[in-house]
Amino acid sequence: NAGVTQTPKFRVLKTGQSMTLLCAQDMNHEYMYWYRQDPGMGLRLIHYSVGEGTTAKGEVPDGYNVSRLKKQNFLLGLESAAPSQTSVYFCASVYLADREQYFGPGTRLTVT
Amino acid sequence: AQSVTQPDIHITVSEGASLELRCNYSYGATPYLFWYVQSPGQGLQLLLKYFSGDTLVQGIKGFEAEFKRSQSSFNLRKPSVHWSDAAEYFCAVGAWNRDDKIIFGKGTRLHILP
Repeated sequence: NAGVTQTPKFRVLKTGQSMTLLCAQDMNHEYMYWYRQDPGMGLRLIHYSVGEGTTAKGEVPDGYNVSRLKKQNFLLGLESAAPSQTSVYFCASVYLADREQYFGPGTRLTVT
Repeated sequence: AQSVTQPDIHITVSEGASLELRCNYSYGATPYLFWYVQSPGQGLQLLLKYFSGDTLVQGIKGFEAEFKRSQSSFNLRKPSVHWSDAAEYFCAVGAWNRDDKIIFGKGTRLHILP
């Protein structure tokens, strides 16, 4: 099992460009989460999904969109990147019985 | 709205000394709680979790935490720290039968003096 994988690992964008981050899990978990991590801010929840075809807003959803068309994949989109979105992005999937989160390795995004 | 507070941004302890990292939460429902550790440039590792039952939970690397409902706290402890414990520690909270958000605190960076 690969667990939770994130693609890409690194990316540099120019302001105004768009991109999609892919999170994939092979554990058949129902719930998936996107967080961003910034120094001194901990992990902040962007969006999450409690099942295929459903998504919900987290603490800092503005500027991001998500989709969960397949149970194993959770996509995070930036339609028009801004420097304030420079961050490390972590995806997690959750085993429903005990809510334990399994994290991906992270994506480091820089917006210039 | 739910929130998680880690009051100490930085803590410095001597190697071999005891450690307590504080975590307070604000939730309108029965919580479940986690502590994670993150070394520089690395991902998050789960230290321990509380869901129900015994309020004193044991984790990996000699850590333990105690859930105190009356104080809305879930403090992390270790009786004797090692230099390898230097890292950033995060408390996280969710709530049963609520909106399924899992919210993190801002973290406490632990420094170890030789």
